[in-house]
Amino acid sequence: SQQGEEDPQALSIQEGENATMNCSYKTSINNLQWYRQNSGRGLVHLILIRSNEREKHSGRLRVTLDTSKKSSSLLITASRAADTASYFCANAGNNRKLIWGLGTSLAVNP
Amino acid sequence: EAQVTQNPRYLITVTGKKLTVTCSQNMNHEYMSWYRQDPGLGLRQIYYSMNVEVTDKGDVPEGYKVSRKEKRNFPLILESPSPNQTSLYFCASSPLSGTVYGYTFGSGTRLTVV
Repeated sequence: SQQGEEDPQALSIQEGENATMNCSYKTSINNLQWYRQNSGRGLVHLILIRSNEREKHSGRLRVTLDTSKKSSSLLITASRAADTASYFCANAGNNRKLIWGLGTSLAVNP
Repeated sequence: EAQVTQNPRYLITVTGKKLTVTCSQNMNHEYMSWYRQDPGLGLRQIYYSMNVEVTDKGDVPEGYKVSRKEKRNFPLILESPSPNQTSLYFCASSPLSGTVYGYTFGSGTRLTVV
């Protein structure tokens, strides 16, 4: 089945640094969503960006969307140890299905 | 607190022994869905429900059943579990559809079939 792709697969940074994760997708979208998953726990919805939006902010999170390149990025500023988690993008097309990426594993070292 | 509640959190069972994983949401959401998560395969949708008495297959429905008799509950039934159904399962809900508003997920059920 089709899947989005996050890049990088794994990222390790120091507390206080910024973390950037990228997501590419293949089909046209209505919106793109980012989720966080702490180890073995449920996913938490972080932010949804619609196809006619280019940038969205929520606290320390900044999401951009470039529909011409079929890509999105999630920036976490001033990272904390508590940001250690896996981050997933999911793109919502016209067929009422969410297509999930395999995630970026982020480790924030104290 | 708005939430999706799954039970049990962990379950070890034997091949062929019928089991049910319960899911309940308190947000009056129309849409509910079951996913399984496996390493290297990501999240795959098993079944979803647009409303009471309306259910449909996702990407990997074989070996699973669901029902939606009430708006808040969406149990996942494994009639005859097999080892390849060992996985981490998530129930999720959304006001209309996960593609429009995004999902609220439960905490997950880690199922092991031996």
